Order: sequence, then structure tokens, then C-alpha cells
Amino acid sequence: DGGITQSPKYLFRKEGQNVTLSCEQNLNHDAMYWYRQDPGQGLRLIYYSQIVNDFQKGDIAEGYSVSREKKESFPLTVTSAQKNPTAFYLCASSTLGEAFFGQGTRLTVV
Amino acid sequence: AQSVAQPEDQVNVAEGNPLTVKCTYSVSGNPYLFWYVQYPNRGLQFLLKYITGDNLVKGSYGFEAEFNKSQTSFHLKKPSALVSDSALYFCAVRGLYNNNDMRFGAGTRLTVKP
Repeated sequence: DGGITQSPKYLFRKEGQNVTLSCEQNLNHDAMYWYRQDPGQGLRLIYYSQIVNDFQKGDIAEGYSVSREKKESFPLTVTSAQKNPTAFYLCASSTLGEAFFGQGTRLTVV
Repeated sequence: AQSVAQPEDQVNVAEGNPLTVKCTYSVSGNPYLFWYVQYPNRGLQFLLKYITGDNLVKGSYGFEAEFNKSQTSFHLKKPSALVSDSALYFCAVRGLYNNNDMRFGAGTRLTVKP
């Protein structure tokens, strides 16, 4: 099946730890995105990548890092510098039209 | 940078009545506009898009949207609402010159009551 796979679905992090969220796509899309969703705030763009080995900061990049070593993969690391990381994280990919989304990862700080 | 506004946090309609979910946008040049739907704890599902052509766009599940350039709006509509349409709806815009930077509105929660 073609699509976007995010893992894990649920993730728990202790304060001060870095965690990495996985996003893989087999749609052959050039562009990939990470969004953060908080209740009542819609989707906010963290990072996006238009091509391998290149990425740009979105509106809320502080405390996050990404890499794009392969076209299929765009992992997001939530670092200890992110003071309020508890949220629902969505990965997406696209060509020039609509974006396709993964099922999300819910990150909770414990 | 492009942006989207969804002026209503919540829309309530009775089953069988028409529904409208509002969206206005701001972008330099021609916009690419999209509507998505989200069910609880799930990713977003694509409903429809406007790029060029007819101002009335038809999409999945009987939804349609009307593009109005003079009002910079892209309202989502459905002639007869179903209880199963209850969900969170997002409008999104992508600009012409940076067409890989997609921005979303805050979302509108649609509740259809039987």
C-alpha cells in the first residue's frame, strides 16, 4: 500500500530527554512536512523539506530538529530544549497538489 | 507569507440541512486552496482542492467548495448534512511562489445533530 507511516502512535518522554518521531513515505513525493497540533490551535508548521538534504524552519522550529538523508524519510527529533512538547504530531508529504498525512504520533511528557 | 482564517470555531447544523464552513485566505499571487477533514486521533484526510478552473469545486463525500477571488474566500459546503459528517475541518493554502509551504487554518468543529 502507498502512503505515509508514522511511528510510534503513542510516545512518552521524560523531561530532559530527546525523542525521535519517525515518518516514512513510499509515494515518491519530494516535499515532506512536520506539523504540531494542539487543541484549539490547528496545525502549526515545524519544519518542511522540499528535497533531500535540504529543509527549512516553519513557524515553531525552536526545540526541534530534522534530517532528510533519504527521499522516503523525514524524522523529527524533539529535544530537551522544547519546553512544552506534549502534543499531537503530524507528518505529511506532497508533490505540487494536495498533501497526504500520516496517522500522527501523540507525544506525552511524563 | 500565506495564511488562512477560519472565523468559526464551531458550526452546528441539523441532519438534512445544508452546511457551510467558512475560510478566507491571504497569499501573494494565485492560491492553491484545500479542505481537509480530521476524525479523532487520526491524520487529516483530503476532501477537495482548487488550483485553477471552475470556481465551484466538487470533492469527496458530497462536499463542494466555492472559490471567490474578490472576497478571498473558499467556503466548504454540502447540500444535506449527515451525522457522520461531524468532525474537525481544516482549510489550507499554498502560495504560488513557495508552493511547498502549506499553511492551515485553526480548524472548525462541525457537529451535525440528528
